[in-house]
Amino acid sequence: DAKTTQPPSMDCAEGRAANLPCNHSTISGNEYVYWYRQIHSQGPQYIIHGLKNNETNEMASLIITEDRKSSTLILPHATLRDTAVYYCIVRGNTGFQKLVFGTGTRLLVSP
Amino acid sequence: GAVVSQHPSWVICKSGTSVKIECRSLDFQATTMFWYRQFPKQSLMLMATSNEGSKATYEQGVEKDKFLINHASLTLSTLTVTSAHPEDSSFYICSARGGRDSGAKNIQYFGAGTRLSVL
Repeated sequence: DAKTTQPPSMDCAEGRAANLPCNHSTISGNEYVYWYRQIHSQGPQYIIHGLKNNETNEMASLIITEDRKSSTLILPHATLRDTAVYYCIVRGNTGFQKLVFGTGTRLLVSP
Repeated sequence: GAVVSQHPSWVICKSGTSVKIECRSLDFQATTMFWYRQFPKQSLMLMATSNEGSKATYEQGVEKDKFLINHASLTLSTLTVTSAHPEDSSFYICSARGGRDSGAKNIQYFGAGTRLSVL
């Protein structure tokens, strides 16, 4: 699976949009981009995933560049409860593909 | 999203004893289940992958005789830490993935984790 690179930490003011970047320059054609987050002392929570089109759900939006070498997770109106470690993971969708976690981005949402 | 239940959430045991952790997919059939371990201030580390009715595939460096995994049904997997020692103290997290036609839609969902403390 392709490797991802994320900034170690980011800050965001409550109510503002949080834009979390991820680089995955070695992504291959059949690999998806997945985003999870882990709030302290809990299991990871699925947020969103995509292949090449932008995606939106009730939690967030995922913007994938046309060359698919990078993506951005957008939390449109961050709240204090969005403080967590956010993981961007690239994974194929066939066979025994598994999620391999990197170090993620620690997002701190402040009042 | 789909629900994965993990039990117990917290366990303390004496050194040398064995501990069993259960992982259940509540609203979908999990074709594949995963077990992760996480030490403080570190990321999740994949320990093993299992498919229903098959032997688990362990990641490099993970002792299969130490961490016994049983994926007996499409909704249940267990991890048994045998002869636990203080260095096995960690946060263990299970994960389950269903097929594209399942409620999980080929997405990997996670349990809440089990904090193991070995005295």
